[in-house]
Amino acid sequence: DAKTTQPPSMDCAEGRAANLPCNHSTISGNEYVYWYRQIHSQGPQYIIHGLKNNETNEMASLIITEDRKSSTLILPHATLRDTAVYYCIVRVVQEYGNKLVFGAGTILRVKS
Amino acid sequence: EPEVTQTPSHQVTQMGQEVILRCVPISNHLYFYWYRQILGQKVEFLVSFYNNEISEKSEIFDDQFSVERPDGSNFTLKIRSTKLEDSAMYFCASSAYEKLFFGSGTQLSVL
Repeated sequence: DAKTTQPPSMDCAEGRAANLPCNHSTISGNEYVYWYRQIHSQGPQYIIHGLKNNETNEMASLIITEDRKSSTLILPHATLRDTAVYYCIVRVVQEYGNKLVFGAGTILRVKS
Repeated sequence: EPEVTQTPSHQVTQMGQEVILRCVPISNHLYFYWYRQILGQKVEFLVSFYNNEISEKSEIFDDQFSVERPDGSNFTLKIRSTKLEDSAMYFCASSAYEKLFFGSGTQLSVL
């Protein structure tokens, strides 16, 4: 699976959009981009994933560049409860055992 | 919304003792996983399980570890003889296919 690079930490003002970047310059054509987050010491929580096109759901938007070498997770109106570690993970979706390999992620601090 | 349930939330044991961590995956999921997170470190993959057998395991998952799906609903992780370094948060996860859903974890403390 391709490696990803994320900034170690970011701050965001409450109510503003949080834009979390991820670099995955070695991504291959069949690898998806996944975003998970971990609030305090809870279990990781799925946010969104995509292959080529931009994606949006009730939690966030995922913008993938045309060359797929980087992506941005957007939380449109960050709240204090969005303070968490955000993980960008790139992997192939396999028939069996779609494990995730977690890196260090980005610590997002939402401040009032 | 369906969720992955883990019990107990905290487990304290003496070094050398056996522990069993329990998980109830989401009911229609077919793939099951165990991860662990040592305090202050990354979430680490231990093992994946599909069709009643291990599909993949990491170097961490040595002979001291075993997994089992004893009935149609539970998924367990057994550590045969615990060591101090096994102290960590253990997360169970399940998936129908590509999205993993995680439980809230069992904090294991080995004294």
